[in-house]
Amino acid sequence: DAKTTQPPSMDCAEGRAANLPCNHSTISGNEYVYWYRQIHSQGPQYIIHGLKNNETNEMASLIITEDRKSSTLILPHATLRDTAVYYCIALFNSGGSNYKLTFGKGTLLTVNP
Amino acid sequence: DTEVTQTPKHLVMGMTNKKSLKCEQHMGHRAMYWYKQKAKKPPELMFVYSYEKLSINESVPSRFSPECPNSSLLNLHLHALQPEDSALYLCASSQERVAWKITDTQYFGPGTRLTVL
Repeated sequence: DAKTTQPPSMDCAEGRAANLPCNHSTISGNEYVYWYRQIHSQGPQYIIHGLKNNETNEMASLIITEDRKSSTLILPHATLRDTAVYYCIALFNSGGSNYKLTFGKGTLLTVNP
Repeated sequence: DTEVTQTPKHLVMGMTNKKSLKCEQHMGHRAMYWYKQKAKKPPELMFVYSYEKLSINESVPSRFSPECPNSSLLNLHLHALQPEDSALYLCASSQERVAWKITDTQYFGPGTRLTVL
């Protein structure tokens, strides 16, 4: 799986959009970009994933550059409960079963009042 | 129901004790996982079970012994642990892929915080 690079920490004001970048310059054509987050002392939580197109769900939006070398997770209206470590993971879709999530260091997003 | 439950929430054990961690899901998922997470570090995969068979062992020491008695349950048996094994142990499950449909989302439990004295 491709290596991902994220800033170690970011701050965001409550109610504003949080834009979390992720660099995956060595990503291959069949590797998906997944985002998980982990609120303190809880298990990781799936947020969103994508391959080439931008994706949106009830939690967030994922913007992937055309060359797929980087992506941005957008939380449109951050709340204090969004304070967490956000992990960007490049995951190879082999078409087989059970896959390995390899977590990097992630970005600690702190949402301030 | 998208919940993975883990018991106990906290566990303190001595180095000579034998204990077990339990994980349960009722989402019909056929893949289940154990992760270990040390303080201020990301989770690290330990084991993967697929259809109740062990499919991945990430070179975990034998003092950790996983067991999958049925498709809903996953246990982690602990014996002769060391203080450095103190960590948050996370269980996760996911649906097996079906043809073209990507169902890679892993659902995590809240974890068991283990302290080895």
